[in-house]
Amino acid sequence: EKVMTQSPATLSVSPGERAALSCRASQTVSTNLAWYQQKPGQAPRLLIYDASTRATGIPLRFSGSGSGTEFTLTISSLQSEDFAVYYCQQYNKWPFTFGGGTKVEIK
Amino acid sequence: QVQLVQSGAEVEKPGASVKVSCRASGYTFTGNYMHWVRQAPGQGLEWMGRINPNSGDTNYAQRFQGRVTMTRDTSISTAYMELSRLTSDDTAVYYCALGYRSSEGSFDFWGQGTLVTVSS
Repeated sequence: EKVMTQSPATLSVSPGERAALSCRASQTVSTNLAWYQQKPGQAPRLLIYDASTRATGIPLRFSGSGSGTEFTLTISSLQSEDFAVYYCQQYNKWPFTFGGGTKVEIK
Repeated sequence: QVQLVQSGAEVEKPGASVKVSCRASGYTFTGNYMHWVRQAPGQGLEWMGRINPNSGDTNYAQRFQGRVTMTRDTSISTAYMELSRLTSDDTAVYYCALGYRSSEGSFDFWGQGTLVTVSS
């Protein structure tokens, strides 16, 4: 099983600032990597798939990069609606696995 | 538009089984894998497995092997996830999800979630 590790666990950011979230895989997942945003009481929302492709309707301020074992989700200028928990997930090989999440909170 | 509508909340006793349904609409049901993901209260996301609605073939995460069964009824575009020998650790929200416009294995459409509570 490929273990996904996210850091930091919590990120305190002021609105308008840039945020960079990290995701590391225990083995290569190529670019089979997705990022999700989840708010309390809601299902996750796909932001990025194939490591860097924005899902339909996702704002340009969200971008993904990386390949192999190291990945980054960048939010260029945080808006109030972006404060949430973010998960990475690999789908290179099943069992598909999620990282433990990064909570982005208001500083 | 793609929609996944799940069955309602369930309360079960330890040792019992639960079966959650996921009714799909807005796309060709047999054209995309259906996945199941769960989330325990205050915890992260956990992939449970997937079913190919066309063939019925399944892949299950090792930790659920022997306890989970995923099936489908193509005549009503509905997928099912049954989990047996429930314990309190199975208390969670269970989601069905699929990749429609995104790559298979990533999930751009999710059901609304079904809360399963295991309590004596």
